[in-house]
Amino acid sequence: NAGVTQTPKFQVLKTGQSMTLQCAQDMNHEYMSWYRQDPGMGLRLIHYSVGAGITDQGEVPNGYNVSRSTTEDFPLRLLSAAPSQTSVYFCASSYRGPAEKLFFGSGTQLSVL
Amino acid sequence: GNSVTQMEGPVTLSEEAFLTINCTYTATGYPSPFWYVQYPGEGLQLLLKATKADDKGSNKGFEATYRKETTSFHLEKGSVQVSDSAVYFCALRSGAGSYQLTFGKGTKLSVIP
Repeated sequence: NAGVTQTPKFQVLKTGQSMTLQCAQDMNHEYMSWYRQDPGMGLRLIHYSVGAGITDQGEVPNGYNVSRSTTEDFPLRLLSAAPSQTSVYFCASSYRGPAEKLFFGSGTQLSVL
Repeated sequence: GNSVTQMEGPVTLSEEAFLTINCTYTATGYPSPFWYVQYPGEGLQLLLKATKADDKGSNKGFEATYRKETTSFHLEKGSVQVSDSAVYFCALRSGAGSYQLTFGKGTKLSVIP
C-alpha cells in the first residue's frame, strides 16, 4: 500500500553539486510528473512522462533532467544545483494523465546554499 | 498559455462558518478544473473535479460548479470544521490530450474552534 514514494525527505546541497531525487510508484501508473512548490507560486510542472521511455518538458524544466527507464521509477536530476532551485519537490502519478486523480508523494525539501 | 487565479489568503474562519474560495481561469480549448487540498506536512490530494460545463463536483461537504460562461470553479462548504484547515489549490487541465496541469497559488484556510 505504498503509493508514491519520494526520497530523500530533506536535502541540503552546495551550489554546483549534483543530486538525484527519487520517485517510485507501485500502482502501475503510466503517467508520472515532477512539480516544485514555492511560497506564493503554487505548484509548477517541471517534467512529465506518459510511459517508459517517454518524457517531456513542463513549465520550468531548465536545470533539471529526467528519464523513465521503468514504469515504476521517475528520478529527477539536478546537474549543477543553484540557490534558485531551493524548493519543495513533489512527484505525482496517475493511470493515464492529469485528467484523472493525481497521487502525490510526501515531498522532498531541498535547500541549495 | 493557461492561467489560474484564486483568491489570496490566508483565510481564517470560525467553526461552522460558510466557506467560499474563488477560482477563475483563462484557457484555450475545453478545460477541466480541479480542486486539490494539502494538509500540513503532506502532499496534495484530489478534493473534487468537473469534466464539463455546469458539472458540480462534490466531496466531504465541499462543492464546486464549473461555470463556463464566467470561467470559474469556486469552492464552497456550508459548515467548516477545524479538520478542514489546509491549503486549497485550484487547478486546470487545458483540454483533452493535454498532459499538463496548471495550479493556482493556493489559499491557506485556518478554522478556529
